[in-house]
Amino acid sequence: ETGVTQTPRHLVMGMTNKKSLKCEQHLGHNAMYWYKQSAKKPLELMFVYNFKEQTENNSVPSRFSPECPNSSHLFLHLHTLQPEDSALYLCASSQVLAGVRGEEQYFGPGTRLTVT
Amino acid sequence: AQSVAQPEDQVNVAEGNPLTVKCTYSVSGNPYLFWYVQYPNRGLQFLLKYITGDNLVKGSYGFEAEFNKSQTSFHLKKPSALVSDSALYFCAVRVFKAAGNKLTFGGGTRVLVKP
Repeated sequence: ETGVTQTPRHLVMGMTNKKSLKCEQHLGHNAMYWYKQSAKKPLELMFVYNFKEQTENNSVPSRFSPECPNSSHLFLHLHTLQPEDSALYLCASSQVLAGVRGEEQYFGPGTRLTVT
Repeated sequence: AQSVAQPEDQVNVAEGNPLTVKCTYSVSGNPYLFWYVQYPNRGLQFLLKYITGDNLVKGSYGFEAEFNKSQTSFHLKKPSALVSDSALYFCAVRVFKAAGNKLTFGGGTRVLVKP
């Protein structure tokens, strides 16, 4: 595996539920990311955290709420989701070096979310 | 703005034959280019990247890619495909700038290698 773990691997939730996705990276990286992967759509960047600070929110609806308590952990809190939010949610991490933008990202296995 | 196009949804190739997965990009500035592979029920795995220097980049599992600035392309190649190479392949681009980590992905190309 890549050193990035995600739990749970599968989640089924109703539209009125509240749940959280968890990501942990064991690579000592300083940046973490949430992506959404839907069928027949390109991979969509949702949020970026650098040194625990959110640096990018890609116009994500407020029913998705990220949290980064430290550089190794990233959460995605979910509430009042819609069926179209069903997708594979991928977490990634990278080591960002000042002035260098060539670092690759390492991905977790994803959480398959189904909203009923 | 930056964008990536993978013109083929699927590529079929016989085992042992050469494999090519196409990628073209559009950026305003110098690009950093990446290839990732995704196996069923797995996350994306990094294959290779182009930052600067030699236009031919060698990566994991015998894959290589050639950066062509005039054609704005970064095609992924493997001289002899294996059945185990069957997977979903993504090209991605980032433009060099002072800040921002945004990596833009193409739509993906499914590769099917038949025995």
